[in-house]
Amino acid sequence: GAVVSQHPSRVICKSGTSVKIECRSLDFQATTMFWYRQFPKQSLMLMATSNEGSKATYEQGVEKDKFLINHASLTLSTLTVTSAHPEDSSFYICSASTGASQPQHFGDGTRLSIL
Amino acid sequence: EDQVTQSPEALRLQEGESSSLNCSYTVSGLRGLFWYRQDPGKGPEFLFTLYSAGEEKEKERLKATLTKKESFLHITAPKPEDSATYLCAVQAGWETSGSRLTFGEGTQLTVNP
Repeated sequence: GAVVSQHPSRVICKSGTSVKIECRSLDFQATTMFWYRQFPKQSLMLMATSNEGSKATYEQGVEKDKFLINHASLTLSTLTVTSAHPEDSSFYICSASTGASQPQHFGDGTRLSIL
Repeated sequence: EDQVTQSPEALRLQEGESSSLNCSYTVSGLRGLFWYRQDPGKGPEFLFTLYSAGEEKEKERLKATLTKKESFLHITAPKPEDSATYLCAVQAGWETSGSRLTFGEGTQLTVNP
């Protein structure tokens, strides 16, 4: 149980392109979904928290106009990296939780490479 | 500010050589402490949740314990397939958005055959 699916697993695209990443909870309803960024040899850095039907809460320093988050249902959240540039290249990971004090379950990440 | 410190940064063991990983934390009102395993190029895999001091959880060769200041992940007779980065994370506070996690930097475990 508690499976989170994230697609695509890898994206390579040109600078200026917008990229959408999907995160789905397959066997449970997620009241809250999270988006992280991870650099090589480093731990996870929280970018934003989203609750179904509400606007996402972004961490300090994360540009909300560049990283658009939509949480349209209890099983789906999307992250759109708008007008991506090489510095946006990273490993993006989503997670989903059924509520406070419950564990977050993670997708397998998306490796984004901007040329 | 919530802080999580894991040690050691890296650990090499021989197969069968038991050891422990440490996670020290400073939080205002611990709601839960979580252990995850992360393999290269993958998302973290949930292992355990601990909620109060004195609590212990076990799964196969892994055992997690919790005190008021730290948590240990004990690995008994490890196998090469236990090689991974182990992450500790805390959830603290009681506000409605309190489900966010603060992660440590992880311990990279290598088990040699």
